[in-house]
Amino acid sequence: ILNVEQSPQSLHVQEGDSTNFTCSFPSSNFYALHWYRWETAKSPEALFVMTLNGDEKKKGRISATLNTKEGYSYLYIKGSQPEDSATYLCAFQGAQKLVFGQGTRLTINP
Amino acid sequence: NAGVTQTPKFQVLKTGQSMTLQCAQDMNHNSMYWYRQDPGMGLRLIYYSASEGTTDKGEVPNGYNVSRLNKREFSLRLESAAPSQTSVYFCASSGYSGATQYFGPGTRLLVL
Repeated sequence: ILNVEQSPQSLHVQEGDSTNFTCSFPSSNFYALHWYRWETAKSPEALFVMTLNGDEKKKGRISATLNTKEGYSYLYIKGSQPEDSATYLCAFQGAQKLVFGQGTRLTINP
Repeated sequence: NAGVTQTPKFQVLKTGQSMTLQCAQDMNHNSMYWYRQDPGMGLRLIYYSASEGTTDKGEVPNGYNVSRLNKREFSLRLESAAPSQTSVYFCASSGYSGATQYFGPGTRLLVL
């Protein structure tokens, strides 16, 4: 069974602070690592897809890095805003379907 | 272009009743998925269909059946609902198995 772990499970951050969290995944049979953002009462939406070791992706204040050799990815949020409050999911793409982690629930305190 | 649509949005069932959750996508995707979301459990895959004509079990298939009716539609059936099946159900689709998934709005199911 593939194990995709995210830490921490939840995080409270003051508005304006920067934060980051981790996704750990198997380093073998790697095709891609996906990040999704999931706001309460909505559906998950894709943020990034990363395929190459050392990949860095950026979307506004959110960025992600990838290390396939050691099996981890970091998601960074710079200058957190209340609208960043959401659950952030990572998903490991092996040979077939995606395997999702349990998510990091981020709450931004005004 | 509606993306992924699900019906119904909300349903209440009594234990033992049956129902079918409907999902359709208009993105010409090959692969479709059903997940359930429970507190503290994230998304758990129930069944998926890598392509039209194929279906496979996911992590938690017991108590469910699926039908890939055509390329657009993928339904999830509960033959005899149980309180443990109270959950939010998400349908998703992707261009191919393993590609970025696009999610529907979810169906909230309560089994009494």
